[in-house]
Amino acid sequence: DGGITQSPKYLFRKEGQNVTLSCEQNLNHDAMYWYRQDPGQGLRLIYYSQIVNDFQKGDIAEGYSVSREKKESFPLTVTSAQKNPTAFYLCASRRSGQEGSSYEQYFGPGTRLTVT
Amino acid sequence: LAKTTQPISMDSYEGQEVNITCSHNNIATNDYITWYQQFPSQGPRFIIQGYKTKVTNEVASLFIPADRKSSTLSLPRVSLSDTAVYYCLVGDMEYGNKLVFGAGTILRVKS
Repeated sequence: DGGITQSPKYLFRKEGQNVTLSCEQNLNHDAMYWYRQDPGQGLRLIYYSQIVNDFQKGDIAEGYSVSREKKESFPLTVTSAQKNPTAFYLCASRRSGQEGSSYEQYFGPGTRLTVT
Repeated sequence: LAKTTQPISMDSYEGQEVNITCSHNNIATNDYITWYQQFPSQGPRFIIQGYKTKVTNEVASLFIPADRKSSTLSLPRVSLSDTAVYYCLVGDMEYGNKLVFGAGTILRVKS
């Protein structure tokens, strides 16, 4: 089955530690995205990548870093510089296509990160 | 990116039709309108997308007036399992362009 996987589902870390969240897709999508969601809030874009070896900051990139060495993988590192890292993190991917086609984003199941 | 405004929450009963309206006064010529559904602790799921007039698929309809300054997601005969948050997004569907998710509308379906 094609899809997006995120691991782990739950992650616990001590304050001051960097942590890397995994995102893998086998949909052959070029674009990938990382969002953060806080309780009762909408999704906020952290980083996105349109192609391998290229990525752009989203609205809340401070304290995060990403890499895109392979088309299938877009890992997110939450650094110790992120002041409020506890949140639900969602990865998504999206295909390119002909004008007028659907450009839906496909989301992974998410990783809930708790930092204490 | 066009800003969207949706009701914070709506209540309905099983079997009723639910209409959720989204305002997007600053929609641009190249913008499409897309709706997503999200259940707690899950990633959003695409529902429907349109540019103008009416679009229908197996789960919903999307009505877009001629001026495109608003859109209405219509869910026919809702069930308890339709209780979720619904997001309206407006954006240029050019490859790679980012989408902006607002707070969404919490739909609660009661028995």
